[in-house]
Amino acid sequence: EVQLLESGGGLLQPGGSLRLSCAASGFTLTNYAMHWVRQAPGKGLEWVSLIHSRSGTTIYADSVKGRFTVSRDISKNTLYLQMDSLRAEDTAIYYCARKAGSTGSSSRWFDPWGQGTRVTVSS
Amino acid sequence: EIVMTQSPATLSVSPGERATLSCRASQSVSGNLAWYQQKPGQAPRLLIYGASTRATGVPARFSGSGSGTEFTLTISSLQSEDFAIYYCQQYDNWPPFTFGQGTTLEIK
Repeated sequence: EVQLLESGGGLLQPGGSLRLSCAASGFTLTNYAMHWVRQAPGKGLEWVSLIHSRSGTTIYADSVKGRFTVSRDISKNTLYLQMDSLRAEDTAIYYCARKAGSTGSSSRWFDPWGQGTRVTVSS
Repeated sequence: EIVMTQSPATLSVSPGERATLSCRASQSVSGNLAWYQQKPGQAPRLLIYGASTRATGVPARFSGSGSGTEFTLTISSLQSEDFAIYYCQQYDNWPPFTFGQGTTLEIK
């Protein structure tokens, strides 16, 4: 069974740093692109970042570019989101989600999603 | 950036009735559109991809249609478990991948 399990969320002050994790099971990260998506309290979904399956190339939303870094540990089959210079507007539930299709597939919708981890940035 | 606009923001429908949700893209996304359902305290769940293909396990009462810039999600006979927030997403022209602001489907 394909599963994604996020962890690492918490409460921190503006300017702080946090690293989120997304443990994947049932598939291999080198075969699937992975995304981070966030949802501010009471708001909609905002795509944050993408890491490509084979190359590990990363792409970011303008709102987090230069502050967030996505990476992965292939040996642990785990995805990470390093968040630096955090702002109040980064407060959200952060979800990891898999590209539905494997490498080379045009199936670019997101499926499945993890259960999310909550990040609160407040002084 | 492609902007996705959903309407209405809130839809009140009685159980057993039909619900029609709309999603409009600021430019053509061909058929590269997905619908997700989100219930309180849960992660989004894929319902529809390719504008009209139901994901595995999605009941047949859910159907998607449209192409280009205009899309519709129809729930033919609402069940109690269908009351949730629904998001459309385009994956045609990225980055960024963009979502609509959501339609809340509530019990009338």
